[in-house]
Amino acid sequence: DTGVSQNPRHKITKRGQNVTFRCDPISEHNRLYWYRQTLGQGPEFLTYFQNEAQLEKSRLLSDRFSAERPKGSFSTLEIQRTEQGDSAMYLCASSPTGFRLNEQFFGPGTRLTVL
Amino acid sequence: AQSVSQHNHHVILSEAASLELGCNYSYGGTVNLFWYVQYPGQHLQLLLKYFSGDPLVKGIKGFEAEFIKSKFSFNLRKPSVQWSDTAEYFCAVRANQGGKLIFGQGTELSVKP
Repeated sequence: DTGVSQNPRHKITKRGQNVTFRCDPISEHNRLYWYRQTLGQGPEFLTYFQNEAQLEKSRLLSDRFSAERPKGSFSTLEIQRTEQGDSAMYLCASSPTGFRLNEQFFGPGTRLTVL
Repeated sequence: AQSVSQHNHHVILSEAASLELGCNYSYGGTVNLFWYVQYPGQHLQLLLKYFSGDPLVKGIKGFEAEFIKSKFSFNLRKPSVQWSDTAEYFCAVRANQGGKLIFGQGTELSVKP
């Protein structure tokens, strides 16, 4: 396994701009998850996919947030009209199928700073 | 709604001291339980997990955790900590197989050499 990768690792943007993050899961992992982590808190669930189907979205995911996984491989998370409250670490995780379905493997995260 | 509570925000220990980090969850049904660790500058890594069976589970690096269903608890223990255990520790619960994880707020562990 090469691990879950996320790009970019850091993003600084001005309020009102749009940003997009990318996550590449571990090869052949069917499930892909997005979480958000703010300072001093544990990760909070945002959404997850099985292959290309988005199975669940958190209420935290406002209309400004959209996530896609068009071919069931990599995923993108877009935030439109960013606000200062969007500043956080955005984490991606993936999990395999079968008996190891319950293990989630996390990437290094994308740290977003909104000025 | 499910929730996870970690009792200690910051724990400071000397090397060789014993460690116990508390974790309680609220959910009435069957759950899967996890402890993740985040070393400085690194990403979250799975330390150990409980799905079913023996409530005492062993993880990597000498860590273990005990699931006590009647107390809705899943406390993490290690008999003798090392400086390299300095990290942030997160307890997490999942109600549905393969679904989302609900994390606690984390406990920062500092081990003095």
